[in-house]
Amino acid sequence: DIQMTQSPSSLSASVGDRVTIPCRASQNMSNYLNWYQQKVGKAPKLLIYAASTLQSGVPSRFSGSGSGTDFTLTISSLQPEDFAAYYCQQTYSPPFTFGQGTKLEIK
Amino acid sequence: QVQLVQSGAEVKKPGSSVKVSCKASGGTFSSYSITWVRQAPGQGLEWMGRIIPVLDITNYAQRFQGRITITADKSTSTAYMELNSLRSEDTALYYCARETLRFPSNDYWGQGTLVTVSS
Repeated sequence: DIQMTQSPSSLSASVGDRVTIPCRASQNMSNYLNWYQQKVGKAPKLLIYAASTLQSGVPSRFSGSGSGTDFTLTISSLQPEDFAAYYCQQTYSPPFTFGQGTKLEIK
Repeated sequence: QVQLVQSGAEVKKPGSSVKVSCKASGGTFSSYSITWVRQAPGQGLEWMGRIIPVLDITNYAQRFQGRITITADKSTSTAYMELNSLRSEDTALYYCARETLRFPSNDYWGQGTLVTVSS
């Protein structure tokens, strides 16, 4: 199985900050990487698929980059509603494993 | 628009089974897969398995092999996830989600079904 590593598990930032959230895969998986946002008590929401393609309706302050084993989610200017947990997921080969998540907290 | 509606919360005894349903509306059921993901209290997301209804193909995470069965009824656009030999560690919120054929990603999610395993 492909292991996905997200570190740190939590991150503190302020409104207006530029934030990057890393994700690393245990093997090369091309661009088969998705990013999800999850707020407390809600189902996950797809933000980015295929490493860098913005899902319809997602604000353009979110962007994704990377290929192979190293990926990054970037939020260009944090808004109050962005404080949530973020998960990467590989869909290169089943099981489609998730990273353990990065919780974005208000500084 | 696409909606996934899951069955209600369940309380089960250790050793028993649970079957959670996920009814899809909007879109074409045969044009996508259904994935099951769970989340234990305070924990992250765990991919359990998926079914591709049009091909009747399933994939399961190794740790659930032998305990999980995912099925789909194309006539009612409903997917099911059955988990057997329940233990307390299976207490979690179980989600179904649509996986698009455009690119494997989960763009619509059900509301979640809480399964509590307790004696």
